[in-house]
Order: sequence, then structure tokens, then C-alpha cells
Amino acid sequence: KAGVTQTPRYLIKTRGQQVTLSCSPISGHRSVSWYQQTPGQGLQFLFEYFSETQRNKGNFPGRFSGRQFSNSRSEMNVSTLELGDSALYLCASSTSTDTQYFGPGTRLTVL
Amino acid sequence: EDQVTQSPEALRLQEGESSSLNCSYTVSGLRGLFWYRQDPGKGPEFLFTLYSAGEEKEKERLKATLTKKESFLHITAPKPEDSATYLCAVQAGSNDMRFGAGTRLTVKP
Repeated sequence: KAGVTQTPRYLIKTRGQQVTLSCSPISGHRSVSWYQQTPGQGLQFLFEYFSETQRNKGNFPGRFSGRQFSNSRSEMNVSTLELGDSALYLCASSTSTDTQYFGPGTRLTVL
Repeated sequence: EDQVTQSPEALRLQEGESSSLNCSYTVSGLRGLFWYRQDPGKGPEFLFTLYSAGEEKEKERLKATLTKKESFLHITAPKPEDSATYLCAVQAGSNDMRFGAGTRLTVKP
């Protein structure tokens, strides 16, 4: 079975721009969660989607948003980028409420 | 508030020198405790899920155990390829996971 895939793998943006990241979950998995990882804060939960509905949300500003499509693929959007948004963004998929499997991540650099 | 604390922050071992990593947690209604391994620049790789106190799981040189307040990841006779950051996470009421800061393990040949 193919694992979780994320595109693009690397991204460089400037402050004020917006960015969209994509995640394709493991086949058959309907839950997709997004995390931000930085050296200072570690892994922090952004939000989770299940069957196209946001089921849970972390403590991040409204500039961070996401959606899930009928094929379970998910996108995450960050608007008005700030320097502090530079991070590794990780997507994880699961069948419902059990073990989450992570993708390789998208490394976002904001200049 | 749910909290996960991992210790030590960093651990340096000689090849073959066994040791343990600790993950202590404070959550209401633990649904699962997870161990992941992460190599630099990559996503976390799933190792184990533990659901209840007393449960143990093994995989090659790794063994994870769980009590009501903490979990241990025991590494027996480690090899240099075991060098990585080991992350512990807990899942409580909702489906999101709260992660510890990780233990950075270095195994010297």
C-alpha cells in the first residue's frame, strides 16, 4: 500500500503571500490531520478532517485553514504568511480514530 | 490540560549499550499512547500503539511499556542506525495527538 504523500516537498514564499499544501492519505483512510513542526514548539496539531468535515481544530489563528475532498485528499492553506510560519508541515492519515501515519512533510520557508 | 514530557532530551550511547527513554503524561481518559521515530527532515515513522496499563509491545531491538502515568521505550543493544529522535504522543478525548518534545538518540559505533 502506498503511504501518505505530500506536495510540494519544499516551498519558499515571502511575507504576505499565501500558500496551499496538499496531502493524499493512505488508500482507505478517511481521516486526515495536519501538524506544524518547529524546533522551538515541536509538533503541534492544526486540524483534522474526516469525511470532508473538520472534526477537530487546534489553537492556531484563522489564517490557517483546510479542506478535504470526497476522495479524502486534503489541502491546507495559510494566508498572509509571517516569518514565524516557517516550519515543516506534516499530514497524517488514519482510518478513523486510531493510529496516524505521517507523510514526509512540506518544508515551508518564509522570507 | 493534557501534558506529555519526554526525558532525557538527548541521549548518547555506545553501540550495544542498552537504555530506556521515558514519556510521562497527564491526560484525562487516555485512548492511546504512541511512539514514533523521526529522522532529520522526514516525517515521523510509526513504531507502537499502547492502549492500557501493563501493555507491552516489541519490535526488533525496541520494547515499549505502559503504566498509568508513563511509558518507557527500551532499546536493547542499539546500533548506529537506531540514531534518531523518538517521539511520544497521547490521544485523549478527541482524535488529535499531543506530542512530547522528543528524545534525540545518538548511537556511536
